[in-house]
Amino acid sequence: GENVEQHPSTLSVQEGDSAVIKCTYSDSASNYFPWYKQELGKGPQLIIDIRSNVGEKKDQRIAVTLNKTAKHFSLHITETQPEDSAVYFCAASRRGTSYGKLTFGQGTILTVHP
Amino acid sequence: ETGVTQSPTHLIKTRGQQVTLRCSSQSGHNTVSWYQQALGQGPQFIFQYYREEENGRGNFPPRFSGLQFPNYSSELNVNALELDDSALYLCASSLELAGGKHEQYFGPGTRLTVT
Repeated sequence: GENVEQHPSTLSVQEGDSAVIKCTYSDSASNYFPWYKQELGKGPQLIIDIRSNVGEKKDQRIAVTLNKTAKHFSLHITETQPEDSAVYFCAASRRGTSYGKLTFGQGTILTVHP
Repeated sequence: ETGVTQSPTHLIKTRGQQVTLRCSSQSGHNTVSWYQQALGQGPQFIFQYYREEENGRGNFPPRFSGLQFPNYSSELNVNALELDDSALYLCASSLELAGGKHEQYFGPGTRLTVT
């Protein structure tokens, strides 16, 4: 089955800096890669996603890049703010009868210091 | 807010007991997936229900079972609770169509503690 590795496990940055979180996946058939933000006591919130027919996607301060050949994808947050502090999860899934099955990485605790 | 609601928010059970968790999907969504999130870990896929049928299952034993109702709400049932079942149980709803619009939106979760 699919295996998703996420790095780093913790990331500490100063307000205004950029943050990058990287994930690798094992199943070459995976074609959908969402990123979730989870704040304390809440469920994961979808912040951006990318499909395998696209190499990059941007939404304001957040961008995701995908390298299908190397089977890795990354989340980039620019101009970080204290409210960006949370746990971030990458995930992967593939089309088919279990299309909705998301395999998650282990999470990255992002701390943005004012 | 995603519009996905779960009940109860917290639950304490004793080993060996049974528990039922409930989820109301976002309006218009026909698919519900359940995940288990242990402390400090990413969510693990339990199973998915699409139009009232189980549509994929993760590596969980048969004592984890579910239902989806005609209004697309769902239940997760766990029998013979074990201490390792203590976790946050997340429900995610999505709209599955031919051509596959499949973003999953999560509820706030139910925190289950087994003593």
